[in-house]
Parts: sequence; C-alpha cells; structure tokens
Amino acid sequence: GAGVSQSPSNKVTEKGKDVELRCDPISGHTALYWYRQSLGQGLEFLIYFQGNSAPDKSGLPSDRFSAERTGGSVSTLTIQRTQQEDSAVYLCASSLGPIDWGVKGNTIYFGEGSWLTVV
Amino acid sequence: DAKTTQPPSMDCAEGRAANLPCNHSTISGNEYVYWYRQIHSQGPQYIIHGLKNNETNEMASLIITEDRKSSTLILPHATLRDTAVYYCIVRVDSMYNAGNMLTFGGGTRLMVKP
Repeated sequence: GAGVSQSPSNKVTEKGKDVELRCDPISGHTALYWYRQSLGQGLEFLIYFQGNSAPDKSGLPSDRFSAERTGGSVSTLTIQRTQQEDSAVYLCASSLGPIDWGVKGNTIYFGEGSWLTVV
Repeated sequence: DAKTTQPPSMDCAEGRAANLPCNHSTISGNEYVYWYRQIHSQGPQYIIHGLKNNETNEMASLIITEDRKSSTLILPHATLRDTAVYYCIVRVDSMYNAGNMLTFGGGTRLMVKP
C-alpha cells in the first residue's frame, strides 16, 4: 500500500500477557517512529529509528517496552507483561529521511494505529 | 522546544472560516510552527507549517504574527469533515536532534456544526 500500515488494528489482551505490534512504513522511508496516545491525551513519543543508526529509545516508558526494526523496514513494538495503563492507541509513523524542517513537504506520515486494550 | 498553548475546544458553523489560535511566546528563532490534525480514530495528519511568513496550501492558511509569539490556522470554508483535534507544534530545525519527533499536546477540539 501507499501508506504506513499497522497491525493488528485492534488488540484486547489480558493483564500480564505480552503483545507485539507491527508497522510497515512507507517504502523507501528511512525514518520510523512509534508514538502512543491514551484516551483524551496528546501523542507521546516512544522510539525512533533512522537508517542503520542506533535507535532513540528515550521515550520508552519502562523496560517492558522494546522495539526492533529488521532490514531497515518493518518494525515491531513489543510490550511485555502488559498493564492496564498500557491501554492506548499505538501509532507508527515514517518519513523519507530525518525530518528537514526547512523543506516543505518533508513530513511525517502516520498509520491508522493499533488500539490496545489491556483487561 | 517551545511550549504551545491552545484553547481546548472551538465550534464553527459549516461553510464559515475556522480560525484556530496558538500561543508560542517562548519560540526561538530557528523553531518552525507546525499544524497537524487528528480526526477521530485516525492517525495525525499534516496540515501546514511555516517559520516567519504566512503560508497557504490546499488545506489551510497559516498566519504567524510578526513577533512570532502566536499563530492562527485558518480553514477558509470549514466542512463537517474538518471536525477533529488540531495540534500546534513548534520544533527546532535540526536534523541531528534525536528523533526529530513531533510531540503533541492537548490541541484544540474543533467541532464543525451544520
């Protein structure tokens, strides 16, 4: 497809279980981002991948969260031992390269999100 | 990064112009103003951005005050489909800034009414 693709679109899991969320960025985009948005809140940055560089993990809320990006394309966000406060929509985004803010049209494109509910 | 302040909600009549304000009084000289919106259950969508000059594209216009401490996003003829949360973000222009991520605050919930 032409856009950022995420799966699953919806996931209900029991507290304590592990979940994996997948993201397929736009083809050719070297930068990939994960965000999450809790109900009624703004977006929260989680992690950023740029090419072959070490990812920026500064936004991961705890060591239960991890992400990897294989082959510079598909990314998987893993949440171990899920808690109820992990319930949120997890958004993946990609951009052609590191955002060059001075270049018009170089923007960050978001997927539709994976809605996670921990019960 | 500079903080932004937006009203939590606004109403607009269909067909009229929607003017969404944003205060960013601590903005620095190399920070751009970006606007995104998020329609319910969808991912955020880029609208427009600018540095100093007013900008216009097919979606909206961006008016930045001369002192750059505030800006206004204008949707010239709002439709029901424009009902969304609108986010104003200021961000330094640095490709080496880790992540160059866009971190959104609460935004303005715009309700376009028939």
